[in-house]
Amino acid sequence: DGGITQSPKYLFRKEGQNVTLSCEQNLNHDAMYWYRQDPGQGLRLIYYSQIVNDFQKGDIAEGYSVSREKKESFPLTVTSAQKNPTAFYLCASSIDRVTDTQYFGPGTRLTVL
Amino acid sequence: GNSVTQMEGPVTLSEEAFLTINCTYTATGYPSLFWYVQYPGEGLQLLLKATKADDKGSNKGFEATYRKETTSFHLEKGSVQVSDSAVYFCALTLINYGGSQGNLIFGKGTKLSVKP
Repeated sequence: DGGITQSPKYLFRKEGQNVTLSCEQNLNHDAMYWYRQDPGQGLRLIYYSQIVNDFQKGDIAEGYSVSREKKESFPLTVTSAQKNPTAFYLCASSIDRVTDTQYFGPGTRLTVL
Repeated sequence: GNSVTQMEGPVTLSEEAFLTINCTYTATGYPSLFWYVQYPGEGLQLLLKATKADDKGSNKGFEATYRKETTSFHLEKGSVQVSDSAVYFCALTLINYGGSQGNLIFGKGTKLSVKP
């Protein structure tokens, strides 16, 4: 089945630790995105990548980093510089920069203790 | 700037009631408009979309019409079911030369609860 997978579904980390969230897609999509969801605030864009080896900051990139070494994969690292990392993180992809429909993965809930 | 405003919830309806969730937008270009649905603990699923003025998106009994004159994209369903209970997000993205800016702009979401 084609789709977007995120792992793990739940993640717990101690304050001050970096943590990497996985996002993989087998849809052959060029563009991939990371969003953060907080209660009552909708979704906010962290980073996006339109093509392999290229990515752009979104609205709330501070304290996060990404890489795009393969078309299928777009991992997000939440660093210790992120002041309030506890949130629900959603990965999405779209066919290319012209096709605007984004499809979402199931999400990872990160809790920092 | 570009933004999406949708009615605040929660919205509680009885089964078979008529649903309207209001959504208005502000955009500097020519947006495409979307409704996404999120069931508890899950990611977002695309519900419907419209890419130009007067287009009507529809899916699973839900409809929304792109109204440029009122900058609106209200979601409607004639008869809701318990299984429609979820959070609904209105969103826009802008198509510029060379394609999308790569940024879906979301409303804050409206929680719908349907009681039997």
